[in-house]
Amino acid sequence: DAEITQSPRHKITETGRQVTLACHQTWNHNNMFWYRQDLGHGLRLIHYSYGVHDTNKGEVSDGYSVSRSNTEDLPLTLESAASSQTSVYFCATSHGRNQPQHFGDGTRLSIL
Amino acid sequence: GESVGLHLPTLSVQEGDNSIINCAYSNSASDYFIWYKQESGKGPQFIIDIRSNMDKRQGQRVTVLLNKTVKHLSLQIAATQPGDSAVYFCAENIGGGADGLTFGKGTHLIIQP
Repeated sequence: DAEITQSPRHKITETGRQVTLACHQTWNHNNMFWYRQDLGHGLRLIHYSYGVHDTNKGEVSDGYSVSRSNTEDLPLTLESAASSQTSVYFCATSHGRNQPQHFGDGTRLSIL
Repeated sequence: GESVGLHLPTLSVQEGDNSIINCAYSNSASDYFIWYKQESGKGPQFIIDIRSNMDKRQGQRVTVLLNKTVKHLSLQIAATQPGDSAVYFCAENIGGGADGLTFGKGTHLIIQP
């Protein structure tokens, strides 16, 4: 079965460090998304990509970057981690516009 | 503020009863709506979706109703089972070319035996 794999599942790091969260999908979907989930805010869109070499900013993109060098992977990088970026991060993919997005099981990131 | 919200943060129902989870949205340009179920420690799981040219769609034990006049979306779960206990999110695609979803804050559905 096709799936979305996020790694690591849990990570603890210090403020100021660079952190990269991995997302790998075997759906062969062009569209990939990163969301963060915080209590009281639901899920909020960070960045998204419609295909290789395409990236776009979402609602809460400050402090984050993504790159898309192939169809399967969209790594999310925190250039200089801040405590406000402590959250659960979800990667999602979809076949196209107005198609269901499929989610991975998330990465819980704690920044101390 | 958020354009998608939920009326009740927690809903408690008896096993076997029907559940109705409500969602209000404020963006009249939204053309796609979707319901997700999220269990603890897991990512959101797709339940059902509906496009703005429809007002009702049915799946297995679930029905989504869309009322564009009052910008209201609901999820009905028939014959609620213990496995339905989870947090339910509605989400919308506001259109304009971007494909990211805007999520509501979620409703926690609790099933009582």
